[in-house]
Amino acid sequence: GENVEQHPSTLSVQEGDSAVIKCTYSDSASNYFPWYKQELGKGPQLIIDIRSNVGEKKDQRIAVTLNKTAKHFSLHITETQPEDSAVYFCAAPNSPLTGSARQLTFGSGTQLTVLP
Amino acid sequence: EAQVTQNPRYLITVTGKKLTVTCSQNMNHEYMSWYRQDPGLGLRQIYYSMNVEVTDKGDVPEGYKVSRKEKRNFPLILESPSPNQTSLYFCASRKTGQPYGYTFGSGTRLTVV
Repeated sequence: GENVEQHPSTLSVQEGDSAVIKCTYSDSASNYFPWYKQELGKGPQLIIDIRSNVGEKKDQRIAVTLNKTAKHFSLHITETQPEDSAVYFCAAPNSPLTGSARQLTFGSGTQLTVLP
Repeated sequence: EAQVTQNPRYLITVTGKKLTVTCSQNMNHEYMSWYRQDPGLGLRQIYYSMNVEVTDKGDVPEGYKVSRKEKRNFPLILESPSPNQTSLYFCASRKTGQPYGYTFGSGTRLTVV
């Protein structure tokens, strides 16, 4: 099955600085890589995703890059703001053991704190 | 408002006392799933359902049961809870044709003493 490793587990940045969170995956057949943001007391929410046919995707201050050869993908947040403080999860589809649909394997999460 | 609703939000129970955590979605999603979140371990899948009356085990199914008798509901059942099931639980749903665009509930904090 898929193995997703996420680093760092905690990250503190000054407001206005950039933050980068990195994930590696093991299944070379994986073709979709979402990122979720979990605010305190809430469930995870999809913020951006990337498919394997592109190397980078941007949405305002958030970008995700993908290196299929090295099997890693990263979340980049520029001009960080206090409201970016949250736990961020990366994920990748795992390989089904049977004919069932592929499921998502999540990374262990990164607690991002933006200091004012 | 499109959402996944879990109840209760918080629950403290004793070892061995059966409990059910409910999950309901109003988006007509075929797929539903349960996850548990533990520090340093991320989100681990317990069970999932591709549609009514179709359920399958995730990565950590031991000690849990589920049922999918209606499309909108996917309850999680702990027949005999143990302290190692103390965790934060999330229900999620998505449309089958939308790869991995999960909508999560707000979570249920379960403590088993």
